Amino acid sequence: DQQVKQNSPSLSVQEGRISILNCDYTNSMFDYFLWYKKYPAEGPTFLISISSIKDKNEDGRFTVFLNKSAKHLSLHIVPSQPGDSAVYFCAVGSGNTGKLIFGQGTTLQVKP
Amino acid sequence: ETGVTQSPTHLIKTRGQQVTLRCSSQSGHNTVSWYQQALGQGPQFIFQYYREEENGRGNFPPRFSGLQFPNYSSELNVNALELDDSALYLCASSPPGALKADTQYFGPGTRLTVL
Repeated sequence: DQQVKQNSPSLSVQEGRISILNCDYTNSMFDYFLWYKKYPAEGPTFLISISSIKDKNEDGRFTVFLNKSAKHLSLHIVPSQPGDSAVYFCAVGSGNTGKLIFGQGTTLQVKP
Repeated sequence: ETGVTQSPTHLIKTRGQQVTLRCSSQSGHNTVSWYQQALGQGPQFIFQYYREEENGRGNFPPRFSGLQFPNYSSELNVNALELDDSALYLCASSPPGALKADTQYFGPGTRLTVL
């Protein structure tokens, strides 16, 4: 029973356009939401996070949106660059457990 | 500033053997978490160590055990290896005051293959 789902295994976008990655979760008790990027042969790298008291957080080209009623999280990358090509994982956490629950990942390819 | 390091990079074992994986946390970080990432899946939480004590555990059997040392480095031990234990094992460290699932900094992982 997956608590965090990324339903799109892959996404292909043209350079300069917007990339939108989506994530759904099942438990309304989660209060931290994060996105990680992973290149081959490297560990996941933290990108951006949002807490449950907000619905948007922006950091440069990256914006995370949280829709608590729909239990939906999305990451927008504008403009997309070829160097953004990687696997993107959403992750959720709650309270002080320190445990992160990850989605299966979405492979983003940004074409020049 | 040194990031999270893990050793070895790759490891091949046979079914039934035991394995120890090592992790050095990022400088100043006192919490270490371990994750298992099977092929095509996201990382799955194994357990977390804080001040040398286990501080939360995922849905993994007791043959997965760990240690944290006074210098905050950590070990993951897996006994009686099974074929399904083949995966990338990731270690992540967090700074003081970040016990919440806020940001964890990951190492490059150890690729374990069980034959």
